[in-house]
Parts: sequence; structure tokens; C-alpha cells
Amino acid sequence: SQTIHQWPATLVQPVGSPLSLECTVEGTSNPNLYWYRQAAGRGLQLLFYSVGIGQISSEVPQNLSASRPQDRQFILSSKKLLLSDSGFYLCAWSDSNYGYTFGSGTRLTVV
Amino acid sequence: AQSVTQLDSQVPVFEEAPVELRCNYSSSVSVYLFWYVQYPNQGLQLLLKYLSGSTLVKGINGFEAEFNKSQTSFHLRKPSVHISDTAEYFCAVTTGFQKLVFGTGTRLLVSP
Repeated sequence: SQTIHQWPATLVQPVGSPLSLECTVEGTSNPNLYWYRQAAGRGLQLLFYSVGIGQISSEVPQNLSASRPQDRQFILSSKKLLLSDSGFYLCAWSDSNYGYTFGSGTRLTVV
Repeated sequence: AQSVTQLDSQVPVFEEAPVELRCNYSSSVSVYLFWYVQYPNQGLQLLLKYLSGSTLVKGINGFEAEFNKSQTSFHLRKPSVHISDTAEYFCAVTTGFQKLVFGTGTRLLVSP
């Protein structure tokens, strides 16, 4: 069966510090992968998506970047966090048979 | 590009009453539609999806939705809600299983 792992569940980081959030998928190959952010009291904003290794599409210009070093691994990074980067980050994968499956999320608080 | 509108930011309802959460979409091509539920501090759980076929889609927890192409709508319904249905509900649309675009969400508040 397909599973998606996202960690850490919560993270408190000071302004200006780096960030690395990791997401891995099991039980499927060549999935489409996504990073979404949900700010407090708001909907879900698509940040990045990837249709293959090394292929990253950015939806919103910002302080974040994404990488896909392996087929089932998707990493969200920042060199210097801003207060506005706080939020709930969700990783997801998709295919035409299953639709979209989301990870359990990472609550990031930048202080 | 596709878009989704959830007109109701919050819907209060009493337990055992029926509820409808509205969702309208915009797209120039055929769409696939989804409803997700999010409980506090958790990820998204798929309630139901419309990919093709019957326009009435049944999902988990007694929810159902009807795809109406002429009205570009995909409203979510439940005939009798429970306290445990209190959560945030998101409608989403895609045209090709690449970008999934979400509405802004509707908070369902079920009172005893």
C-alpha cells in the first residue's frame, strides 16, 4: 500500500535560521509530489510541485526552495527563515488512480 | 487556470440536522473534484472524489456530493451531522492530476 511520511511534526525555529522539511513516499513509483502551506485561518497554498527527479515548479515567489533528489523524496528548504514563513506545511503525492494523498503535516513556528 | 470558490467560511448547525457545504469551480476544461476534511492540527483526509461516471458521489462518514456541470458546482451534503463532524472542509479541483487547487475552506461547527 502507498504511504507518505512527513517530518518533523512540529518545529520552532528562530528568524534567520535554515529550514529543511522532508517527505518520502512508499509503495509507488514516479509520483507527482507537492508542498502546500496553510497559514493560520487560511486555505492551502501550493508552493511547489514536481513531476520527476530534479523537476521542480514554483508557484509562489518566496523565501523557500524545494528539491527532489530521489524519486520518492521531496525536500522543502530555506536558507534564512522569516516570521512570515510560519504555518502548517503539507506534503502530498498524486497519481490518476488514487488522486491525492497528504502527509500529516509539519507545524512550523518562526520566532 | 482553474479556481475554486467556497462561499461559506463558517457553517453552524445543530447535531442531527442536515448540512450542505457549497463549492463552485471555474475551468475551461474537464475537471476532477475532491472534498477533504481537516481536523485540528492534522493533515487532510479525503472524503470523496469525482473522477468520472455517476455525478452523485458517496464518501466516508456518510457524506455525499453531486457534480453539476451546468452549474459548475460540487456541493457536499450530509443528512444528519454529528458533533464529531466539526472540522474544516476543503473543496479542490484539478484538470490533470498535476496542480490541485483548493478553496479557502469552510469551518463546520456542530452544536448539541
